Amino acid sequence: GAVVSQHPSRVICKSGTSVKIECRSLDFQATTMFWYRQFPKQSLMLMATSNEGSKATYEQGVEKDKFLINHASLTLSTLTVTSAHPEDSSFYICSAREERYEKLFFGSGTQLSVL
Amino acid sequence: AQRVTQPEKLLSVFKGAPVELKCNYSYSGSPELFWYVQYSRQRLQLLLRHISRESIKGFTADLNKGETSFHLKKPFAQEEDSAMYYCALSGGGTSYGKLTFGQGTILTVHP
Repeated sequence: GAVVSQHPSRVICKSGTSVKIECRSLDFQATTMFWYRQFPKQSLMLMATSNEGSKATYEQGVEKDKFLINHASLTLSTLTVTSAHPEDSSFYICSAREERYEKLFFGSGTQLSVL
Repeated sequence: AQRVTQPEKLLSVFKGAPVELKCNYSYSGSPELFWYVQYSRQRLQLLLRHISRESIKGFTADLNKGETSFHLKKPFAQEEDSAMYYCALSGGGTSYGKLTFGQGTILTVHP
């Protein structure tokens, strides 16, 4: 089956640094990918929709300048957490939409810890 | 606004007992409903989508538009069913894939 690779699976960084998370569709092209955030013991919250070749669409309350999304190719979307702070510590999950059969595939998630 | 509600945060049953995980939704159009399962330290896996009417691992779910519900059921729970279960909703068209998740239900199946 189709697979979405998300990297890294875990990252620890210092406050003020930037962290990039990659989401890659391995055997299908994904013009649309989604980024979610999950706090401990809570549900997934949609942050933004990543569109290949155009600007991402952010959900209300999500800072565009804080969470930079780039979808430069049909198989790769990246989420960069800029100037990370401890409150950005969370589990970030991406999903990719496979158009032909209208299916969604999730990455395995990235645990970000900001010290 | 679209919303998904899973009223039970925790659900415990014994092996072999029937299990029902509740899900209610609100959406102004025709939604697509999903159930996802997340085993410990693993990625989200699709369990069911209402449009395909598949049955995976013995689970079924029926969309009840009158009650705006999409409850997940299994007649005989197994220990390996212990996991976190999320009900989710997506709009159609260009919005397909933008999921609104419920709060999740942790299912524990005791031996």
